[in-house]
Amino acid sequence: AQSVTQPDIHITVSEGASLELRCNYSYGATPYLFWYVQSPGQGLQLLLKYFSGDTLVQGIKGFEAEFKRSQSSFNLRKPSVHWSDAAEYFCAVGGRNTGRRALTFGSGTRLQVQP
Amino acid sequence: DGGITQSPKYLFRKEGQNVTLSCEQNLNHDAMYWYRQDPGQGLRLIYYSQIVNDFQKGDIAEGYSVSREKKESFPLTVTSAQKNPTAFYLCASTPTGGYTEAFFGQGTRLTVV
Repeated sequence: AQSVTQPDIHITVSEGASLELRCNYSYGATPYLFWYVQSPGQGLQLLLKYFSGDTLVQGIKGFEAEFKRSQSSFNLRKPSVHWSDAAEYFCAVGGRNTGRRALTFGSGTRLQVQP
Repeated sequence: DGGITQSPKYLFRKEGQNVTLSCEQNLNHDAMYWYRQDPGQGLRLIYYSQIVNDFQKGDIAEGYSVSREKKESFPLTVTSAQKNPTAFYLCASTPTGGYTEAFFGQGTRLTVV
């Protein structure tokens, strides 16, 4: 069974500082990997995705993530955080099998940005 | 604009009552999903449907029911058998044929009073 672990429940960074959110997955083969962002009381918005190819993927709002097969990780990074980045971030994994296509989500990391 | 519409945004229910949450999409997607979100637990899959008139239980289906009579619609009923129904419910969809990301609605917050 696939699973996702986000070790950090809550992270606080200063505006302008760099950010790295951790994500580790468990899956038997190369998975599809996603990062979503959620503002309070809202749905989820896709930041970026990895399907294959270049292991460093660029997303919206200046975010990037790197797929590291050897570490089963897909960490999200941003070089300079803005106050508007304060939200909850979810890492998700999808299987390549044609059976169940539903994504499996981590428990989320809440990002707080200090002025 | 294409998207997923969930209604209502807020819903209050008395204990012992069934309640139905609406999810409609105009993305022409074949597959639809219901997730439940609780603080600190991420999103957990309730039910999913990959085609009209067919649906499968997810990880936490007990106390819930669904139907998929139309491609555009995938309503979720929270029954009185669901012991802790207060949560944020999210509907999502994906196309079939190849793989892509899931698209989400804005959610319905259900509170049992």
